[in-house]
Amino acid sequence: DAKTTQPNSMESNEEEPVHLPCNHSTISGTDYIHWYRQLPSQGPEYVIHGLTSNVNNRMASLAIAEDRKSSTLILHRATLRDAAVYYCILRDEEGAQKLVFGQGTRLTINP
Amino acid sequence: DAGITQSPRYKITETGRQVTLMCHQTWSHSYMFWYRQDLGHGLRLIYYSAAADITDKGEVPDGYVVSRSKTENFPLTLESATRSQTSVYFCASMSGGGYEQYFGPGTRLTVT
Repeated sequence: DAKTTQPNSMESNEEEPVHLPCNHSTISGTDYIHWYRQLPSQGPEYVIHGLTSNVNNRMASLAIAEDRKSSTLILHRATLRDAAVYYCILRDEEGAQKLVFGQGTRLTINP
Repeated sequence: DAGITQSPRYKITETGRQVTLMCHQTWSHSYMFWYRQDLGHGLRLIYYSAAADITDKGEVPDGYVVSRSKTENFPLTLESATRSQTSVYFCASMSGGGYEQYFGPGTRLTVT
C-alpha cells in the first residue's frame, strides 16, 4: 500500500483556517486520497476524498497538487470541535476496500 | 436504532480466555472491517469481509477469528486472549461501490 507522511502535530487558533499537509510521493494513478479524523474517544469519521481535482464539502476542502504527490486538507474556520487526529490515507479504488492508517496529525485548537 | 453498534463497550478478561466482540450494522452494507488501535497509534486492520461468508485477512490477523453468516453481523473472536491484544477495537462498514467507511464507537478490551 502506498504510504503517506504527515506532521505529528499542529496547532491553530479558533476561527482561523487550518492547512493540514500530506505527502504521498509514491501515489499510483488509481489511488484516491482520503481524509478521516478521529475525535477523542471516538471512532474515525470520514472527512473528504478526491482523485485529481480539488474538492469541497460541508466539512472541509481538499487541495491536490498537480503531480498528486501531495495534498492539503483545509478547515476554513476551525472550531474547538475540530480538535482531533487527522489521517491522510491512500485507497486503491481498484483493489480491496481497505484503509491503511498511518500515525496522523494531532490538531490542537486554541481558544 | 440505525447505524453501527459494538458490544460490549468495555471488557476485562484474563489471559487464555476466549472473547467475542460483536459488531452489528443496520444499513445492509456489504463490507465490514475490524481494526485495532493501540495507545497512541493509528488503526491497524485485522480482518475484513466483502459479503456474507466472504472474509479475508488484514495486516494483523494472528490470534483472531471472524465469521459472517449474516450481512449485518461481523463478530471478532480472540480464541485465547493474550496481554498483547489489549487494545481498542473498532468495527466499520461500507456499502459496495461506496467510498466512506462508517465506524462504530469501539470496544476497549483489557487482557490481564
